[in-house]
Amino acid sequence: DSGVTQTPKHLITATGQRVTLRCSPRSGDLSVYWYQQSLDQGLQFLIHYYNGEERAKGNILERFSAQQFPDLHSELNLSSLELGDSALYFCASSPRQGVGELFFGEGSRLTVL
Amino acid sequence: GQSLEQPSEVTAVEGAIVQINCTYQTSGFYGLSWYQQHDGGAPTFLSYNALDGLEETGRFSSFLSRSDSYGYLLLQELQMKDSASYFCAVRGPDQTGANNLFFGTGTRLTVIP
Repeated sequence: DSGVTQTPKHLITATGQRVTLRCSPRSGDLSVYWYQQSLDQGLQFLIHYYNGEERAKGNILERFSAQQFPDLHSELNLSSLELGDSALYFCASSPRQGVGELFFGEGSRLTVL
Repeated sequence: GQSLEQPSEVTAVEGAIVQINCTYQTSGFYGLSWYQQHDGGAPTFLSYNALDGLEETGRFSSFLSRSDSYGYLLLQELQMKDSASYFCAVRGPDQTGANNLFFGTGTRLTVIP
């Protein structure tokens, strides 16, 4: 158990819909990262927050947005969903920025039908 | 930008030694990490090399040569439970200069009896 909690674990929805994925980082970790993993693919970096502020954006679609709240939990919002958005979405946390060790949650598996 | 190359699949016999290579091209480099991911599971951190040389942690070792933009993960005394995907990840600046962790596409290791 990494200490990172993600909900929901599984989500099935239809094209055009909107979903919110939630992440609670390890106690004390200020950095939260979101990654997308499609079938048999690597981990694509989406976005990074540190202590409530956005620090870096990767290949995140404009239909996707995220935020980190004062209690440090984070939410990833996916809207106007398309079939290709079906993937595992991982949240990871670390105590600070610029480290090589991230602690990953178990992921949220999104299926868009 | 960043690009990482690692073999897509490796098969090895239980009890043997296997080496998984990773070459990278980056505009800047701070370190190389390795992660293990079992099917349906979360990536878990194995090692991080910021300096050249070999780091050993139990049955796993990781090597880095910054001049060659190359690293490898060495797994000794292979066990069936080592069957998993292994990802190398480079910590470096992205196009905005933000320090981030970029993952390769992973190597699926199959350990056979």
